[in-house]
Amino acid sequence: DGGITQSPKYLFRKEGQNVTLSCEQNLNHDAMYWYRQDPGQGLRLIYYSQIVNDFQKGDIAEGYSVSREKKESFPLTVTSAQKNPTAFYLCASSLPGGRYTGELFFGEGSRLTVL
Amino acid sequence: GDSVTQMEGPVTLSEEAFLTINCTYTATGYPSLFWYVQYPGEGLQLLLKATKADDKGSNKGFEATYRKETTSFHLEKGSVQVSDSAVYFCALFTSGGYNKLIFGAGTRLAVHP
Repeated sequence: DGGITQSPKYLFRKEGQNVTLSCEQNLNHDAMYWYRQDPGQGLRLIYYSQIVNDFQKGDIAEGYSVSREKKESFPLTVTSAQKNPTAFYLCASSLPGGRYTGELFFGEGSRLTVL
Repeated sequence: GDSVTQMEGPVTLSEEAFLTINCTYTATGYPSLFWYVQYPGEGLQLLLKATKADDKGSNKGFEATYRKETTSFHLEKGSVQVSDSAVYFCALFTSGGYNKLIFGAGTRLAVHP
């Protein structure tokens, strides 16, 4: 089945450590996104990528980094510079550019807890 | 800037009750409007959408009408089920420039038997 796979589902990190969240899609979508979800705050965009080897900062990119070396993969690194990393992270994909109508396809999310 | 405001939850209902979740928006252009649903422990999935004024989106018994005069897109269902318990997000999308979805804060719905 086509879809988006995020791993790990749960992750615990000590303060000062970098962690990388995986996101893989087999929908053949060009555009991919990372959102952060906190209780009562909806979803906030961290980074997005319209095409391989290109990505843009979203609204809350500080303390995060991404890469887009392959169309199907868009990993997110939460660095030690992120002040409050405990959150639920969602990866999504869509058709790009003029074909993007606002419909996003989401993975099941990764819950990161900093101890 | 563009924004979405949803009614605060949680909304608690008995099975077969009528559901309304209010959503209003502020946008400079002519946005498309969406409702996404998040079941416990899962990502979001598109529930319904409307792309222009007076359009009605519908799916799984849920409906929402795009009201430009009141800048609203309220979600309704005539008879909820326990399986509808989830968090519902209203969102808007305006094309051009920075193409992105803007989400509301979400409204948690709990349906009891």
